[in-house]
Amino acid sequence: EDKVVQSPLSLVVHEGDTVTLNCSYEVTNFRSLLWYKQEKKAPTFLFMLTSSGIEKKSGRLSSILDKKELFSILNITATQTGDSAVYLCAVEKAGGYQKVTFGIGTKLQVIP
Amino acid sequence: EAGVAQSPRYKIIEKRQSVAFWCNPISGHATLYWYQQILGQGPKLLIQFQNNGVVDDSQLPKDRFSAERLKGVDSTLKIQPAKLEDSAVYLCASSLTDLQGTNTEAFFGQGTRLTVV
Repeated sequence: EDKVVQSPLSLVVHEGDTVTLNCSYEVTNFRSLLWYKQEKKAPTFLFMLTSSGIEKKSGRLSSILDKKELFSILNITATQTGDSAVYLCAVEKAGGYQKVTFGIGTKLQVIP
Repeated sequence: EAGVAQSPRYKIIEKRQSVAFWCNPISGHATLYWYQQILGQGPKLLIQFQNNGVVDDSQLPKDRFSAERLKGVDSTLKIQPAKLEDSAVYLCASSLTDLQGTNTEAFFGQGTRLTVV
């Protein structure tokens, strides 16, 4: 059975701190790993990672994938209160259809 | 560009009643997904459509849940009869299919929060 495990489950930091969120996975026919930010109901797309060792960056957020060790990290530098959200990791399978399995998420709270 | 539209935003029903949710995906997106997200959990895929065909409904409780996408655009998800454990947010998402037939990242709607009492 496909599995996506995120850690920590929750995190409280002060504004300006740097955080690292972890995602490990077990899936057959891996195609990609995705990160989403969920503030209220709708997850919003952050990154799609398909290749090992290539960092993707968007402003203060960055992410990297290790396909050998089967994990990814999401880094947020100089955190702001607007970064408070649940961060979801998902893995996508290749094949006849692309099934996506989500992790439970990491709840990040950034306090002033 | 308009996003994925869902309605209603909230619904409260009694157990054993029926409910239907509607989704209009982003224009041109061939793939449409329905997810169930129970409080404190990640989204769980219920059903995936490619145009108007079902490509994965392995996690859809087919004794009470049904979904259709008749013209390959809008979709409805129905629950009949509802149970208390169906209380969740129901998220619709859509994605493009590229020239190689691979789906790109999914864009989510705002979801429908269902409470079954």
